[in-house]
Amino acid sequence: DAKTTQPPSMDCAEGRAANLPCNHSTISGNEYVYWYRQIHSQGPQYIIHGLKNNETNEMASLIITEDRKSSTLILPHATLRDTAVYYCIVLQYGNKLVFGAGTILRVKS
Amino acid sequence: DAGVIQSPRHEVTEMGQEVTLRCKPISGHNSLFWYRQTMMRGLELLIYFNNNVPIDDSGMPEDRFSAKMPNASFSTLKIQPSEPRDSAVYFCASRSGSRETQYFGPGTRLLVL
Repeated sequence: DAKTTQPPSMDCAEGRAANLPCNHSTISGNEYVYWYRQIHSQGPQYIIHGLKNNETNEMASLIITEDRKSSTLILPHATLRDTAVYYCIVLQYGNKLVFGAGTILRVKS
Repeated sequence: DAGVIQSPRHEVTEMGQEVTLRCKPISGHNSLFWYRQTMMRGLELLIYFNNNVPIDDSGMPEDRFSAKMPNASFSTLKIQPSEPRDSAVYFCASRSGSRETQYFGPGTRLLVL
């Protein structure tokens, strides 16, 4: 599975959009981009995933560049409860999730 | 839906004791995963099962660790004997198919003194 690169931390003002970037320049054609997050003291939580088209669900939007070498997770209106570690993971269906260090998102009032 | 259930939520034991962690996956899910999380190593996959059969145990640290899944609704992770370096949060996750996402339990916080 391709490796991902994420910034170690980011800050966001409450009510504003949080845009979390992820680089995956070695992604292959059959690998998906997954996002999970882990709120303090809880198990990781699935957010969204996509292959090449942009995706949106009730939690977030995922924007994948046309060359698929990078993506951005967007939380449209961040709240204090969105403070968490966000993991970007690239893998094929059925493969193991491999968690990196992720991005610590701090939402501030 | 109760989600993935883990027990106990907290465990404190002394070095050398046997520790058994338990997991009940979401009903209908056919894959189960055990992870360990520490500050030093982050979140690591230890072992996973498909249809109750262990598929990949390459992450199990050593012979002191063993995992079983006797049926579709129950799995155990056993450490015998336990050591202080085993102190970590252990998560269980389940999935309903290879295309589906994993759902994680709340974790068991293990402290070995």
